[in-house]
Amino acid sequence: QVQLEQSGAEVKKPGSSVKVSCKSSGDTFSTYSINWVRQAPGQGLEWMGGIIPVFDSPYYAHKFLGRVTITADVSTSTTYMNLHRLTSDDTAIYFCARGQRGEVNDALDFWGQGTIVTVSS
Amino acid sequence: EIVLTQSPGTLSLSRGERATLSCRASESIRNNYVAWYQQKPGQAPRLLIYAASSRATGIPDRFSGSGSGADFTLSISRLEPEDFAVYYCQQYGSSPPNSFGQGTKVEIK
Repeated sequence: QVQLEQSGAEVKKPGSSVKVSCKSSGDTFSTYSINWVRQAPGQGLEWMGGIIPVFDSPYYAHKFLGRVTITADVSTSTTYMNLHRLTSDDTAIYFCARGQRGEVNDALDFWGQGTIVTVSS
Repeated sequence: EIVLTQSPGTLSLSRGERATLSCRASESIRNNYVAWYQQKPGQAPRLLIYAASSRATGIPDRFSGSGSGADFTLSISRLEPEDFAVYYCQQYGSSPPNSFGQGTKVEIK
């Protein structure tokens, strides 16, 4: 059974950075994509980017280019999402999710439990 | 950039009724790569349908997806209490990848 376990809630100051982790188990980690999706309070889902660990080549939504860094550590089956220059608009739940086919464009079949990130001065 | 528009915003129905949710894209989706997700309060989304009409593992057959090109539909044949939730469509056939619709809330009438 595939499981994605995310790191705990974070409270950050505006202008700082946050790093959220997502540890995978139960599958061949390196061949599936791991994507990051966020959800602001009361809002819909917003795809941020992802990575296919075997290629070690991240891909990002245009909106987040230059502000997000996604990396993967194959040795620990863990993916990381680092978001820089935080503002209050970045307050959201951040989910990691596995791509179904191991493609950049993919349906997302397994999800982490979500990590709440609060940005406040 | 492809924009997905879901309608209606809210659907008020009773248990046992049929729900029909629409997802319209601003242009045709390659390979009909559209997925549908269910999200309940405080939970992560759950994949229901992929490639427009294929049910994900463990999804009851009262959920069905249809459509092609730029128009897609999620149907729930007989609403059960656990089906009242928010539903999102996602396209993953075209660039930029993995965009979502704004969601349809199915609420108890």
